[in-house]
Amino acid sequence: LAKTTQPISMDSYEGQEVNITCSHNNIATNDYITWYQQFPSQGPRFIIQGYKTKVTNEVASLFIPADRKSSTLSLPRVSLSDTAVYYCLVGEISRDSSYKLIFGSGTRLLVRP
Amino acid sequence: DVKVTQSSRYLVKRTGEKVFLECVQDMDHENMFWYRQDPGLGLRLIYFSYDVKMKEKGDIPEGYSVSREKKERFSLILESASTNQTSMYLCASSSEGARVTEAFFGQGTRLTVV
Repeated sequence: LAKTTQPISMDSYEGQEVNITCSHNNIATNDYITWYQQFPSQGPRFIIQGYKTKVTNEVASLFIPADRKSSTLSLPRVSLSDTAVYYCLVGEISRDSSYKLIFGSGTRLLVRP
Repeated sequence: DVKVTQSSRYLVKRTGEKVFLECVQDMDHENMFWYRQDPGLGLRLIYFSYDVKMKEKGDIPEGYSVSREKKERFSLILESASTNQTSMYLCASSSEGARVTEAFFGQGTRLTVV
């Protein structure tokens, strides 16, 4: 069972870079690492996914070291609208090889003016 | 635009009632999920389905059942609603694939059991 551990909360200021680290010591060979963002009263939204090294898209970067036991979501120059809960997930393969998505408690990011 | 639609945003039911929460996706996804979300507890998986008529228990299936008769629809059933099932319920879907974990979520149904 590839459980994840993240900080409960983080504070930042507008314009700063924010790095949220997630540990997943039991990650399996085939597992990908995925991050979601959730605003109040909305369902989570996919941000980024990676397997190893670095992945970048228009929203964020994801850094994964060689041992893959942790990952870091990097949000460049955050704004007030980035205030949200961020979840790190590692895919868990069920008996029939389909993925069931297990969310942890997430990291509550507060961006201040 | 991909879409996961939950039948109600807000629902109030009485203790002991049988409650149906409906979810429909238009992306032809194989996998569908039901979660509940409570303050301080994050999202907890109730059930998921990887194919029509197939289902698998998540972390907290007690007091719930599901139905997947058609690929696009996944129903969550509270056989006899209780106050501790007051929560936000979220449905999601994702496509098949060993490495694909991108899921699309509905807006959620806030259920209150009185």
